[in-house]
Amino acid sequence: DAGVIQSPRHEVTEMGQEVTLRCKPISGHNSLFWYRQTMMRGLELLIYFNNNVPIDDSGMPEDRFSAKMPNASFSTLKIQPSEPRDSAVYFCASSFGFGRGDQPQHFGDGTRLSIL
Amino acid sequence: LAKTTQPISMDSYEGQEVNITCSHNNIATNDYITWYQQFPSQGPRFIIQGYKTKVTNEVASLFIPADRKSSTLSLPRVSLSDTAVYYCLVGDIGAFDNAGKSTFGDGTTLTVKP
Repeated sequence: DAGVIQSPRHEVTEMGQEVTLRCKPISGHNSLFWYRQTMMRGLELLIYFNNNVPIDDSGMPEDRFSAKMPNASFSTLKIQPSEPRDSAVYFCASSFGFGRGDQPQHFGDGTRLSIL
Repeated sequence: LAKTTQPISMDSYEGQEVNITCSHNNIATNDYITWYQQFPSQGPRFIIQGYKTKVTNEVASLFIPADRKSSTLSLPRVSLSDTAVYYCLVGDIGAFDNAGKSTFGDGTTLTVKP
């Protein structure tokens, strides 16, 4: 049974470049979450979708960040232009339900992003 | 999302039982309590979830007192491979109190020694 699949696992790019992170949630899950993890700020929830619709993006740090979910099996998180302070591990998670806390989230292995 | 307080770190030895307590004084009536485990270079992994009393699965037990203002994750007979960060979450993860709020908190770093 495949879990949440994220790609790429590692990304190194120069400041100013566009970065696109990809996520395939677990089949049948209808909620999808994007997180960012750094030593300084821990694990932060950036945005979550329910039934492919963005429910709340108030965790997105700046307008340089955008996320889409064109269908139930695919989501992207884009940073344009990228900056060194965006360096972090980005996780995607999915779950059943509406993130009510009664359904556990299943996380991918993350994308380690380094902006030079 | 109810604020949670956990010890920053704990040490244990192989074969011992480890209990990690999480305080959540502002838990709401509909909130669930969920524990996750995270190893380096991996995403958090669901361990156990409960609403009240005691829940047990193949890896852990979760004890929740009647007032639900705290919960205790119990790991029986830990091994070196249980060394990880353990996070306690309460409530509706899909609801934001503040933009950019760290919903997972700092967690408890458990170090199991031989």
